[in-house]
Amino acid sequence: KQEVTQIPAALSVPEGENLVLNCSFTDSAIYNLQWFRQDPGKGLTSLLLIQSSQREQTSGRLNASLDKSSGRSTLYIAASQPGDSATYLCAVRRNAGNMLTFGGGTRLMVKP
Amino acid sequence: GAVVSQHPSRVICKSGTSVKIECRSLDFQATTMFWYRQFPKQSLMLMATSNEGSKATYEQGVEKDKFLINHASLTLSTLTVTSAHPEDSSFYICSTSSGGPNEQFFGPGTRLTVL
Repeated sequence: KQEVTQIPAALSVPEGENLVLNCSFTDSAIYNLQWFRQDPGKGLTSLLLIQSSQREQTSGRLNASLDKSSGRSTLYIAASQPGDSATYLCAVRRNAGNMLTFGGGTRLMVKP
Repeated sequence: GAVVSQHPSRVICKSGTSVKIECRSLDFQATTMFWYRQFPKQSLMLMATSNEGSKATYEQGVEKDKFLINHASLTLSTLTVTSAHPEDSSFYICSTSSGGPNEQFFGPGTRLTVL
């Protein structure tokens, strides 16, 4: 059974810092991995999708990497802003279908 | 990305009543829809996978007679929480997919509070 773990569970940083969020998964046989953002009481916004054959994806200040063999992904946020404060979730799509397995999330607070 | 809506966004009901939550895919035909539940400060847990025109597939531990799912068209899936109890209070989120290992798009969620 696929298990997804995110470290740290919570993170508080001053504005402007570059930061890295970590995601690990136990079964390396995945189709793809997706990073989401969730604001309090809201649904999920997709940030980046990395296919299993890819090593990284970039969107603006966000860069996500994938090392499938070691079961790890990182989300790098450059020059963090207070508006980046949210919970960040990673999810992997399992090999046998289209189901997503989510990690526990990292609650990020960027202080002005 | 695709636009997914949910209705209602928030519902409060009395214990023992049934509540229906709608999930609509507004701009593409969703052959598959997923229903998730999220308790406070926890991650999303998949409840069931809904395929248009066929019975939903429920995850282990999810009572299919309590959480009724109907996916009657390519744009609408409904989740009915029957005989709701306070422990069913949660944030319910749906997502849609056009099929295959493609990106999922999530609705804004429905906050259910059972008194």
